[in-house]
Amino acid sequence: KNQVEQSPQSLIILEGKNCTLQCNYTVSPFSNLRWYKQDTGRGPVSLTIMTFSENTKSNGRYTATLDADTKQSSLHITASQLSDSASYICVVSAFLGGNEKLTFGTGTRLTIIP
Amino acid sequence: KAGVTQTPRYLIKTRGQQVTLSCSPISGHRSVSWYQQTPGQGLQFLFEYFSETQRNKGNFPGRFSGRQFSNSRSEMNVSTLELGDSALYLCASSLGLVADTQYFGPGTRLTVL
Repeated sequence: KNQVEQSPQSLIILEGKNCTLQCNYTVSPFSNLRWYKQDTGRGPVSLTIMTFSENTKSNGRYTATLDADTKQSSLHITASQLSDSASYICVVSAFLGGNEKLTFGTGTRLTIIP
Repeated sequence: KAGVTQTPRYLIKTRGQQVTLSCSPISGHRSVSWYQQTPGQGLQFLFEYFSETQRNKGNFPGRFSGRQFSNSRSEMNVSTLELGDSALYLCASSLGLVADTQYFGPGTRLTVL
């Protein structure tokens, strides 16, 4: 069964500090991995999309890494800001029968405190 | 370019009723996907429409249905509402290609009493 597990479930850090969120998956056959940021009461916003051949991808202060061998990904946030407070969702795509099927993690709730 | 819009934003219904939610994708996008989000389950995939055809379907009962029009706008219908259907319903649009970025709307908050 395709699964995506994220850790930690929640995280509280001081403004200006760095943090790393983890995503482990058992999705097969792997197509790509995505990270989304979801502010409270809003729809998710795409941060990065990585395919099998990509090890790392950055979007401003967000850097995602992918290890397709161990089926792990991480999202590193540098110099956190109050606006980074949100849920971060890892999504893994499998390509099956000519269609792309997405499996969602339950997210990590990040809170930045001043 | 206008983003994904969803109407209505909030809805209150009672058990047994039916509801129709609407989603207007970004201009030029042919794929619309629907998701249910609850605090306990996270985002659950309902279905995807591409060029008016259902291309993918999640594991939801037949009470959940959808359709897509020729202008790519999509509607989702839930019949015989149950308390457990209370959730945030999100739609996302994309060009419909593999590894394509999905753009989410703000969602419709459905409360079933």
